[in-house]
Amino acid sequence: GAVVSQHPSRVICKSGTSVKIECRSLDFQATTMFWYRQFPKQSLMLMATSNEGSKATYEQGVEKDKFLINHASLTLSTLTVTSAHPEDSSFYICSARDRDQPQHFGDGTRLSIL
Amino acid sequence: AQSVTQPDIHITVSEGASLELRCNYSYGATPYLFWYVQSPGQGLQLLLKYFSGDTLVQGIKGFEAEFKRSQSSFNLRKPSVHWSDAAEYFCAVAAVDSGAGSYQLTFGKGTKLSVIP
Repeated sequence: GAVVSQHPSRVICKSGTSVKIECRSLDFQATTMFWYRQFPKQSLMLMATSNEGSKATYEQGVEKDKFLINHASLTLSTLTVTSAHPEDSSFYICSARDRDQPQHFGDGTRLSIL
Repeated sequence: AQSVTQPDIHITVSEGASLELRCNYSYGATPYLFWYVQSPGQGLQLLLKYFSGDTLVQGIKGFEAEFKRSQSSFNLRKPSVHWSDAAEYFCAVAAVDSGAGSYQLTFGKGTKLSVIP
């Protein structure tokens, strides 16, 4: 079946650091990738949608300069949390989809900012 | 805009008992409906989906769900729960952008399932 690999699975870093999270579709072409954020005991909140070769579309309230998304190829999207602060600590999950097929999710990245 | 309600935050069942997780949605047209399962610290795994056709959908791990338009529901069921089914379950609805053939998911808040041995 379709596999999405997300790396790293856990990051702990100091406040002010920029952190990059990678999301790769291993056995299919991801025409669209999504980035979600999950707060404790909450559901997933969509942050942004990116189509390969295009700029990401951000949801209302998500700072595009804070959360940089790049979807340069059909198998890779990256989320960079710039100048991260403790309030950015969260569980980030990516998903990928080939055209109108269901989304497949990565295992998530737990980001902890000290 | 579409929305999803999962009325039960936490459900506890005994191993071997039957299970039903409730999901109600709000959407102006025929929705795409999904159930995902999330184990602790993991991403989401698709259990099953409904796009059209037969309203009773079979999924992986012995799960099924039934789309009831009149009740705006898409409840998830399993006849006999196993201890490994303990996880969090998310119902999701997709609004279809018919022009592009694409869609975005809106998730419910999830139902945590605990299984008593």
